[in-house]
Amino acid sequence: QVQLVQSGAEVKKPGASVKVSCKASGYTFTGYYIHWLRQAPGQGLEWVGWIVPHSGVTNYARKFQARVTLTRDTSITTSYMELSSLRFDDTAVYYCARGVGAPIFDYWGQGALVTVSS
Amino acid sequence: EIVLTQSPGTLSLSPGERVTLSCRASQSVSSSYLAWYQQKPGQAPRLLIYDVFTRATGIPDRFSGSGSGTDFTLTISRLEPEDFAVYYCQQYGSSPITFGQGTRLDIK
Repeated sequence: QVQLVQSGAEVKKPGASVKVSCKASGYTFTGYYIHWLRQAPGQGLEWVGWIVPHSGVTNYARKFQARVTLTRDTSITTSYMELSSLRFDDTAVYYCARGVGAPIFDYWGQGALVTVSS
Repeated sequence: EIVLTQSPGTLSLSPGERVTLSCRASQSVSSSYLAWYQQKPGQAPRLLIYDVFTRATGIPDRFSGSGSGTDFTLTISRLEPEDFAVYYCQQYGSSPITFGQGTRLDIK
């Protein structure tokens, strides 16, 4: 069965960086985009960007373009999101999700809480 | 970017009732690329409906979607206890992908 398993919760100080992983299984990793989204406490969903596992090509939402880097390691079917220059308002649950078509998100990771605190 | 406005913000209903949730876009959604997700506390969102009215795999037929252009709805024909959750619409016809702020369904 398709699974996306993310790394655990992180606590970081303002200005630091965080790297979250997303391990895919149960399907052909290189056949689908991986998207990253986030959800601040009590808030809605915000799209961060996508990566094409086959080629490594990325696309980022303009809001995050200067601070986010998506990468992947096809040998271990894992995608990564690194967010730098963390601010208090980056505190959120970060999700990876498999993108299908235009895209819609048919499978999601369990989420990784990133807390930015001094 | 397309802004999606969902209404109402919160609804209190009883099991067995019918409910219609609204999602209005700030501009026309390209190619009817509109989806709905359900999210329960502490869980990731679950895809319910895509391309306005197509149910995702395993989604019961009490969930239905409709609409076009800028106005879309999600209807649950008869609420089950497990349907009380937050519902989000998403447009994927224009970049960036955007979501509505959500409608919370509470048990009355």
